[in-house]
Amino acid sequence: DSGVTQTPKHLITATGQRVTLRCSPRSGDLSVYWYQQSLDQGLQFLIHYYNGEERAKGNILERFSAQQFPDLHSELNLSSLELGDSALYFCASSGNTIYFGEGSWLTVV
Amino acid sequence: SQQGEEDPQALSIQEGENATMNCSYKTSINNLQWYRQNSGRGLVHLILIRSNEREKHSGRLRVTLDTSKKSSSLLITASRAADTASYFCATDAYSGGGADGLTFGKGTHLIIQP
Repeated sequence: DSGVTQTPKHLITATGQRVTLRCSPRSGDLSVYWYQQSLDQGLQFLIHYYNGEERAKGNILERFSAQQFPDLHSELNLSSLELGDSALYFCASSGNTIYFGEGSWLTVV
Repeated sequence: SQQGEEDPQALSIQEGENATMNCSYKTSINNLQWYRQNSGRGLVHLILIRSNEREKHSGRLRVTLDTSKKSSSLLITASRAADTASYFCATDAYSGGGADGLTFGKGTHLIIQP
């Protein structure tokens, strides 16, 4: 158990819809990172938050957004979903080492 | 952008044998990390090797880094069925050590036959 908690574990939704993925980092970790893993693109860094502030952006689409709240949990919002957004979305937090959550499986139908 | 690329894409060996996976990358790095992912699960950090290190050991794992060839290898000795997983290398271009600069390869899928 990495200590990073992600919900939901699985979700299926239709094209055009919006979903929110939630991440709770390890106790004491201020950083939260989001990654997308798909068969064709592999693991792609999306965005990094540190103590509520956006620190870095990777290959994150404009339809996606994220935020980190005062209690340090983070949410990744995916809107106007397309079939190609189907993927495993990981959250990670770091102190001295990076710890990944178990991921949220998103299927867009 | 720099990217680690693992080789082979898939590897199947008998239990007890050694497994070697390779990773190549394109530009200068601060460190290189190896992760394991069991099917559909999260990534587990295995080992980090810094750019000024050439070899590192952790239990049955041995990682080497050749910055002149921009390559790394992961050796798993005396493999076990539980080692069946996908293995990813990730390069970090930033000295902070966080995941901003982590660029992952596509992974090597390792199957250990009992």
